Parts: sequence; C-alpha cells; structure tokens
Amino acid sequence: DIQLTQSPSFLSASVGDTVTITCRASQDISSYMAWYQQKPGKAPQLLIYSASILESGVPSRFSGSGSRTQFTLTISGLQPEDFATYFCQQFDGYPPATFGPGTKVDIK
Amino acid sequence: QVQLVQSGAEVKRPGSSVKISCRASGDAFSGYAVTWVRQAPGQGPEWLGRFIPSLGVAKYAQKLQGRITITADNPPTTGYMELSRLTSEDTAVYYCVRDGGGLYQPWGQGTLVTVS
Repeated sequence: DIQLTQSPSFLSASVGDTVTITCRASQDISSYMAWYQQKPGKAPQLLIYSASILESGVPSRFSGSGSRTQFTLTISGLQPEDFATYFCQQFDGYPPATFGPGTKVDIK
Repeated sequence: QVQLVQSGAEVKRPGSSVKISCRASGDAFSGYAVTWVRQAPGQGPEWLGRFIPSLGVAKYAQKLQGRITITADNPPTTGYMELSRLTSEDTAVYYCVRDGGGLYQPWGQGTLVTVS
C-alpha cells in the first residue's frame, strides 16, 4: 500500500498567518491527492481534491499544489475557524485509499 | 444537501461482533460506492472497505479479511458494516462515507465502538 507522511505533525500559528503543510507519498501518485479538515469531535471535511481543485464551498484562502510524490496545502490568512487537524489522502491505485497521520494547527 | 446518519455508539465484549448502519438522505448512494473508515484517537483515518451497490461487489482491507462485511440495501439507501471477533484494537470511531472514485464526501457523523 502507498504510505503518506505529513510535516509538521503540529504547528502553532496566529490569526492572519500563512501556513503550509507538506505531504509526501511513498511512490508516484500523479495528482491523486486530497486534503481534509477535521475539527474535534467531528467528521473530516473534504477541502481539496486532485491536488489543487477546491471543493465547492471551501474558502479561497485554502490552496493545494504538487504532483507525483510531494504535495502542499497552504492556508493564506488563517481564520479562527481554521484551527483544526488536516489530513492528506491518496486515491491512486485505489482501493485502498490511505491517509496521512495528520497535522494539528493550533493557536499561538 | 446529502446527509449520512449512522447508528449510535456501541460497547462490545472482546470476541463479539458489531453491526453499524448508515442511512443516506434521498438517493445519495446511487452511482456511488459506500466506504467505511475508522479512526482511533489521535490517528489518521484508516480505510476498511468499500461496497459498490450497482455491482454488489465489496473489497476489504487485507488486515480485516474474514472479519468484515460491508453491504447495502437495494435500492441503496442504507449501508452496513459488520465487524466480528472484536478486540481492543478495534476500539475507534467508525465513519461511513459516500465514495466518488476515492473522494469521500459527505461523511456520516461517526459511531464510537468501544471494545472492553
């Protein structure tokens, strides 16, 4: 199965900051990468798919980039509601899909 | 708006089985697969398996082969996931998701399964 690693696992930031989260795949997955946001006690929500396409209704401050084995999620101008945990997920050679271990974005 | 509503929390003894349901609003599953994932505390989600209602075909995570069964009604308004021979390692929140070719949206609200 394809393995995903995320960095950092935790980051502390302030409202208005720009943050970047990286996800690396153990093999080439083309652009079959998605990003999810999860708040405590809630189910994950799809933010971005196919590496860079914003899901309907997701604010434009979220953006994704990358291909093959390295991908990034950028939040430009953090808002209070953005403090959450973010997961990457690959869907190349699916099933099975696999998820990264997560990056928790906390308030500084 | 498509919604998935799952059955309630379960407490199970080791060695027993659990069956969770996932009811979709309208025809939310038509043309889609039903996938189940679980999430242990502090960890990323783990893919468990997928059922394609239009084909009646299921595929499961290798580590769960022989213990998991995923099905859906016909027409597919409700999905089910049954896991047998439970151990403490199966303690987690279980989610159903509408699966559009590997993209998961929406998700059910989650069902906590505690094995103790």
